This record gives sequence, structure tokens and C-alpha cells, in this order.
Amino acid sequence: RKEVEQDPGPFNVPEGATVAFNCTYSNSASQSFFWYRQDCRKEPKLLMSVYSSGNEDGRFTAQLNRASQYISLLIRDSKLSDSATYLCVVNKNKAAGNKLTFGGGTRVLVKP
Amino acid sequence: DVKVTQSSRYLVKRTGEKVFLECVQDMDHENMFWYRQDPGLGLRLIYFSYDVKMKEKGDIPEGYSVSREKKERFSLILESASTNQTSMYLCASSPPALETQYFGPGTRLLVL
Repeated sequence: RKEVEQDPGPFNVPEGATVAFNCTYSNSASQSFFWYRQDCRKEPKLLMSVYSSGNEDGRFTAQLNRASQYISLLIRDSKLSDSATYLCVVNKNKAAGNKLTFGGGTRVLVKP
Repeated sequence: DVKVTQSSRYLVKRTGEKVFLECVQDMDHENMFWYRQDPGLGLRLIYFSYDVKMKEKGDIPEGYSVSREKKERFSLILESASTNQTSMYLCASSPPALETQYFGPGTRLLVL
């Protein structure tokens, strides 16, 4: 079983619609969680951190469910520019340094 | 703005060749990382370094070595390239107090 699992998609989303997807992680002791965004043929970039209480950044909302070991990302009012692959990222042990574990990514395609 | 550069965007090598991939960051970050990214497998950590002349194995170090002689530069070495090392190679850096990693543009390596 992969340590961080994501539905690869693609999620085909009409412009203006809402899309949400999850990521599950296997290590219950994982400490920090993030969403990175990767555009086609580009490098990953941090989209947002995921906090225990959930957090919002504009049209993006991230949630953490420790009991079920998953995090989610919701995108409201999707824009064409939101088309990208979204990588779920977990830090299993902060004391071991900033080693991050990446999921395989969920591809989102926003269409007019 | 953090800048991480990689020596080549595309590289074609023959089986058995020694390959050097260079990564340079301009933000005085202590931590540097090398990943490879393959479809369906996500980013996998090859090696990382917390300081000059220091290195630690990641999840898939076999067939690779690294060198960090200067703080800003982290090199990945394929001692004898094999076809299964055809991949996208991504370098990243981060400061010690932050978990955010900043990625270079990647090197797409093809081993024939």
C-alpha cells in the first residue's frame, strides 16, 4: 500500500463549478500536511498547508480528518487556470527533518 | 524570490555512461533534496542533504550518489546509467525552520 494515495483522475470540471477530492495517508503519526500544485511540465509549488481545524485560501479549502487519515481539497468557482495536478504531501516526522512524502497527484481539467 | 536552477532541462545519455545532474539554489538554504518523478508513482526521494558534505539516503538511493561540496550546490550522480533511470529529476531546497520545499524546473533524462 502506498504511503500517500490519491485518485489520479482526471476530474473534468466545468468552469465555475466546485470540485473536491481526497488523499489518504497510511502513517497515523504523520504530523504535517500540504497540497502542492504542479502544472503540466512544470515543477511542483506549494498551494497551501492543511491545518487540523481546516483552512481556506480564497477559493481553495483544505480539510484534515485524522480519525480517517485523509485530507481533502475543495476548489470553488473553478477557473481554467486551476487545471493542474494537485499533489498531496505529508511530513511523517518533523524531528527527522523536512522529508516530505508525495502522493501521485490528482489531475484536474477545468473546461469552458 | 527563491530560485532553484538545474543544469539541464533535457538530457539524453547511453547505458553505462556516468551522468551528473547539478542543482543550485540562491537562498542559502541548508536542506536540499533530489527526487525522481514517474507517472503513477509520484515523487520519490533519492537523497537529501542537511548541510555541506552531509548526505542521507532517501527511499530509492540505489544506483545514485550525491555530492554537496558547497551550500548552494547539490549534485546527483548516476555512476552507470541504466534505462530504468529514465525519468524526470527534480531538485528542491528548503530552510531548516520551514517545511516548504522549493523546486527547480526539473531535468528530463532519457537513457538509451
